[in-house]
Amino acid sequence: ETGVTQSPTHLIKTRGQQVTLRCSSQSGHNTVSWYQQALGQGPQFIFQYYREEENGRGNFPPRFSGLQFPNYSSELNVNALELDDSALYLCASSPGGFADTQYFGPGTRLTVL
Amino acid sequence: DQQVKQNSPSLSVQEGRISILNCDYTNSMFDYFLWYKKYPAEGPTFLISISSIKDKNEDGRFTVFLNKSAKHLSLHIVPSQPGDSAVYFCAASASRGNEKLTFGTGTRLTIIP
Repeated sequence: ETGVTQSPTHLIKTRGQQVTLRCSSQSGHNTVSWYQQALGQGPQFIFQYYREEENGRGNFPPRFSGLQFPNYSSELNVNALELDDSALYLCASSPGGFADTQYFGPGTRLTVL
Repeated sequence: DQQVKQNSPSLSVQEGRISILNCDYTNSMFDYFLWYKKYPAEGPTFLISISSIKDKNEDGRFTVFLNKSAKHLSLHIVPSQPGDSAVYFCAASASRGNEKLTFGTGTRLTIIP
């Protein structure tokens, strides 16, 4: 049990729609990162938030955006969904500072039809 | 451009024997390496890590070896147990203080009783 929860567990959307995925971190975890794991691939870094500010971004277009809230929850928003956005989306939280102190949630499986 | 590579998609090992999982990287800026274990329907969990200033790190049944000149690392599990059956991801970071991780594609380890 990592203390990191994600909702929903599964989601089906159609191309062009918008989606919001949610992550709830442990208290005191000021840093949250989001990853996309396509089928048969490893997780790919989307972006990171630290104390509600974006703190680094991977190679993802601007239609991927995020928010982090003071209550240690965060959101990943994806606009204009494409078929290739179908993936498992993972959030990882940490108290901040070290790569090996990140705790991953179980992920949200997004299917885009 | 796959900067972290795990060339074996799967590996089967007899219970009690040694499991060796391999990982190669291409980016010389990587300075900190981690192994994660993932069970179905769960997020990756941190297993063991190593800094580039070391060539070996041991934690119980798990040992990670790093050959910086060859840009190669390996995870040894001995003795292997049925509960070790999972997908193992190698990940790399610019430093221990950098939480942005670049993952490999994973190796599915099956321990045969």
